[in-house]
Amino acid sequence: DVKVTQSSRYLVKRTGEKVFLECVQDMDHENMFWYRQDPGLGLRLIYFSYDVKMKEKGDIPEGYSVSREKKERFSLILESASTNQTSMYLCASRIRSGAGYTFGSGTRLTVV
Amino acid sequence: DQQVKQNSPSLSVQEGRISILNCDYTNSMFDYFLWYKKYPAEGPTFLISISSIKDKNEDGRFTVFLNKSAKHLSLHIVPSQPGDSAVYFCAALKEYGNKLVFGAGTILRVKS
Repeated sequence: DVKVTQSSRYLVKRTGEKVFLECVQDMDHENMFWYRQDPGLGLRLIYFSYDVKMKEKGDIPEGYSVSREKKERFSLILESASTNQTSMYLCASRIRSGAGYTFGSGTRLTVV
Repeated sequence: DQQVKQNSPSLSVQEGRISILNCDYTNSMFDYFLWYKKYPAEGPTFLISISSIKDKNEDGRFTVFLNKSAKHLSLHIVPSQPGDSAVYFCAALKEYGNKLVFGAGTILRVKS
């Protein structure tokens, strides 16, 4: 069973803080993704990565950056957290071919 | 620009009856369509998918129908069970570009 692990289930951060959200997968998947989920908007893609060191902007990259130094780990960075970044953040991974994504359990981030 | 739309925010169904969840898309270039199920405080879990070259795929109580001319797909759950109560996301995938695009989700409530 593929496992995608997000290090924190709940986080509360202050406005202006630098925030790191960590995601680790254990199945040697090349592709990893960060989404945020907001009511009425579904899941929106922030960034994704095809392989180590590679990254591409998704649909809403503003205010975020990512890091993929090792294949199994994909980090989402909020450079200066703002209240409009309060959301549920979901990490996913998949093998290069095939249609299935595996999601982590999510991190509920609140910025105060 | 919403490429995948779920126009019903919620649906309520009696246990044992059929649940029909609908989804429309705008881009004819999608290769796969997928349905994910999500419980609160958990990540989405893959339910069923359909290739763009097919019009029906069945897996147990779940059947997905694809109408390419109408750019419409639907998920049928028969018979519905209380444990099916969750948020259902429709998603579409273009293999080139490797991005999964989600709808806003539909909350399904199955009443016993």
